[in-house]
Amino acid sequence: GIQVEQSPPDLILQEGANSTLRCNFSDSVNNLQWFHQNPWGQLINLFYIPSGTKQNGRLSATTVATERYSLLYISSSQTTDSGVYFCAVISSGSARQLTFGSGTQLTVLP
Amino acid sequence: KAGVTQTPRYLIKTRGQQVTLSCSPISGHRSVSWYQQTPGQGLQFLFEYFSETQRNKGNFPGRFSGRQFSNSRSEMNVSTLELGDSALYLCASSLAGDGNYGYTFGSGTRLTVV
Repeated sequence: GIQVEQSPPDLILQEGANSTLRCNFSDSVNNLQWFHQNPWGQLINLFYIPSGTKQNGRLSATTVATERYSLLYISSSQTTDSGVYFCAVISSGSARQLTFGSGTQLTVLP
Repeated sequence: KAGVTQTPRYLIKTRGQQVTLSCSPISGHRSVSWYQQTPGQGLQFLFEYFSETQRNKGNFPGRFSGRQFSNSRSEMNVSTLELGDSALYLCASSLAGDGNYGYTFGSGTRLTVV
């Protein structure tokens, strides 16, 4: 099946800093989403982005489908950005299941 | 509009018992899928239902089962609970579940087996 790798696994930032999270995938995809898991466990959808670039406030994401990677940018980070960020994909040949990366644990210090 | 609702939020069960978890998808969404999250294995796909039919199943033993009702609400059942079933169970709702639409997750049910 498709493989999804996220980097870095851990990231510690000072409040106000910018960061880039990366997601590499091993096959063509129909769906790619970025999620933020809050301390209570809920996966909050950040972007549905199988290709192209999107922005939402301080967050933006770019997926280059032909090169099989996606990037999540967080600018002017805040302590509330802390948590685990997951990339999840559905491969073009698969049957309707999200395959998740192992996540990036982000800690933003005040 | 209302999001994805999972009940209960927390559950403590004893080894050997069975448990039923519930998920109500976003209104109009017909696809419901279930995922298990553990510290060791990460997020793993359990199964997906669309219009009351299971379309896909992950690599889990037969003790894990589910169903979907005509109103798209879904339940998953785990029989003969084992300590290793302790996990966060997440339900995801999608319009069609074919990858052309995004998935929205519920808050999860945290199951502890003692």
